[in-house]
Amino acid sequence: QQQVKQSPQSLIVQKGGISIINCAYENTAFDYFPWYQQFPGKGPALLIAIRPDVSEKKEGRFTISFNKSAKQFSLHIMDSQPGDSATYFCAASGTSGTYKYIFGTGTRLKVLA
Amino acid sequence: NAGVMQNPRHLVRRRGQEARLRCSPMKGHSHVYWYRQLPEEGLKFMVYLQKENIIDESGMPKERFSAEFPKEGPSILRIQQVVRGDSAAYFCASSPLSTRETQYFGPGTRLLVL
Repeated sequence: QQQVKQSPQSLIVQKGGISIINCAYENTAFDYFPWYQQFPGKGPALLIAIRPDVSEKKEGRFTISFNKSAKQFSLHIMDSQPGDSATYFCAASGTSGTYKYIFGTGTRLKVLA
Repeated sequence: NAGVMQNPRHLVRRRGQEARLRCSPMKGHSHVYWYRQLPEEGLKFMVYLQKENIIDESGMPKERFSAEFPKEGPSILRIQQVVRGDSAAYFCASSPLSTRETQYFGPGTRLLVL
C-alpha cells in the first residue's frame, strides 16, 4: 500500500517529441506528488509537484496530469530535448505527517538528437 | 544561497570500518531526511530528523545505522561495521518549516565498501 509504481523503466524519444512517464499509487492518504530529475552522479532536483485538488499543473515544458479516481499521475515533457536525458522519479508523501517520500523506481529517459 | 551540502562526496571503506556521512541543510531549513539509493534503483527513505530529535526512523536498519541532527552542526548518518551491501548513494534532503512537503536534495555521498 505504500508503493508507488512507475513506468516505463526506460524511454527513448526523438528530439521535439513528447515524453510521458506514468505513476500509480494505492494509498489515498497521499496528498503531495513531486517529480524529480536526476543526472548521473548528481542529486535529484525538483521539477514540478502537484496536489490532488487539481487535475493538471504546467511549468514550462513540463506538465503533471493527475487522476485522483484512478490514483494515477503522469509527467509530460513537451518538445523533449537531448538535455532532458536523465532519470525521472515520481514520489508521493503525506501519509504520516512526516512528509517522507515514497519514490517510484525511476524512468531513464534518452532524447535522441 | 547555498543548497544542501553533503560531504564527503565519495567514501571508500573496508568491511568492518565505520562510515560517517554529513549533511548541512539549506539555510533556514530545520527538517532533514536521509535516503539511500542502491544502483539502478529508486530512493528509499531512511530517517527524518528535526534539530535534536529523530522523528521517524522507520526506514533505517535496526542495527549498525544511526543518525543525529544536533543543535549545532550538520546532520550525521553513521554506519558502523560496514558491509558490502551498504555500498550505495546516500542522499540528504532538507525542507523548510513553511513548506514542509517540498524537499531539496544534496548531491549525495557515494559509499563504496571493499
